[in-house]
Amino acid sequence: KQEVTQIPAALSVPEGENLVLNCSFTDSAIYNLQWFRQDPGKGLTSLLLIQSSQREQTSGRLNASLDKSSGRSTLYIAASQPGDSATYLCAVRPRSGGYQKVTFGTGTKLQVIP
Amino acid sequence: EPEVTQTPSHQVTQMGQEVILRCVPISNHLYFYWYRQILGQKVEFLVSFYNNEISEKSEIFDDQFSVERPDGSNFTLKIRSTKLEDSAMYFCASTTREGADEQFFGPGTRLTVL
Repeated sequence: KQEVTQIPAALSVPEGENLVLNCSFTDSAIYNLQWFRQDPGKGLTSLLLIQSSQREQTSGRLNASLDKSSGRSTLYIAASQPGDSATYLCAVRPRSGGYQKVTFGTGTKLQVIP
Repeated sequence: EPEVTQTPSHQVTQMGQEVILRCVPISNHLYFYWYRQILGQKVEFLVSFYNNEISEKSEIFDDQFSVERPDGSNFTLKIRSTKLEDSAMYFCASTTREGADEQFFGPGTRLTVL
């Protein structure tokens, strides 16, 4: 059974700092991995999708990497802003055995202090 | 920009009552999903739906749950006899293709069972 863990659970940084969020998964047989942000009481906003054949994806100040063999993905946020404050979730889609059954991580709650 | 919509935003019901949660996926999407998030916990996959039938479901999705696409636009989740533990945020999501594309999520319906 796929387990997805995100460390740290919470992170507080001053505005302008670069930061890295981590996502670990136990089963490397994945189809893709998607990063989301979730604002309090709101839905999930898609940030980046990395296919299993890719090593990284970039969108603006965000860069996500994927190392399937080690079961890890990182989300790099450059020059953080207060508006980046949210909970960040990673979600893994398995390659087999029910590849609609996406497994979500525990989330990292980010606070960017002005 | 197209988006997934959900109604109602908040539903309060008595234990044992039936509830129907509604979603309108993005119009050209073919795969539809329901997830739930109990307060403070992970987002959990419930069910995926394609071509007017369930393609996969989780252990959570028991006989109390059903899904339907009653017309060309709506996608519904019915809980026949609600329990206290069904209280959660319920998210609808959709994608164009089976696994290769990003999932787009709706804003969620907060279900409170009293």
